[in-house]
Amino acid sequence: EAGVAQSPRYKIIEKRQSVAFWCNPISGHATLYWYQQILGQGPKLLIQFQNNGVVDDSQLPKDRFSAERLKGVDSTLKIQPAKLEDSAVYLCASSLAGAWADTQYFGPGTRLTVL
Amino acid sequence: DAKTTQPPSMDCAEGRAANLPCNHSTISGNEYVYWYRQIHSQGPQYIIHGLKNNETNEMASLIITEDRKSSTLILPHATLRDTAVYYCIVRVFGNEKLTFGTGTRLTIIP
Repeated sequence: EAGVAQSPRYKIIEKRQSVAFWCNPISGHATLYWYQQILGQGPKLLIQFQNNGVVDDSQLPKDRFSAERLKGVDSTLKIQPAKLEDSAVYLCASSLAGAWADTQYFGPGTRLTVL
Repeated sequence: DAKTTQPPSMDCAEGRAANLPCNHSTISGNEYVYWYRQIHSQGPQYIIHGLKNNETNEMASLIITEDRKSSTLILPHATLRDTAVYYCIVRVFGNEKLTFGTGTRLTIIP
């Protein structure tokens, strides 16, 4: 079974530029999550989708971050404009049906460096 | 969700059992204990979870104290590939959200 795919793996941009990350969840997984992991910290949930609807985006900085999951499969996370403090690893995860006990499977992440 | 406390780092000799403690003294009756680990440059990986009984799977064992205020993750025969950051997470029943702390950095020494 293929895992969660993410691209690109690495991205370097200058502040005030825009960037987009892509995630392809495990086939059949209805729930998709985006996490931000700053160096030395644990991952922090940014947004959760159930199919193509948003369940929780309370920690998403909506003035600069946006995410979508068209057709309930792939998802993109965008930052516009980027700030220095956005340097982090962005992790995508998916789970089967969003039930509370379901295991979340994580992708390898995209490491973003903002200069 | 209840807060967890873990030691920032631990070492363990290869082939020995690695015992990783977690304190969750404010845990509620409807909260489960979950363990994930994150190997360098990878996303977190689920290990095990439990409510109040001890649990074992192919990766590890989870021992939860009778009062549920602390737990221990046991890797029975640690290998170099077990070097990772281990996260203990308390998760409310019905809440899909995982709240990660800073975890324990476990280093397996040859």
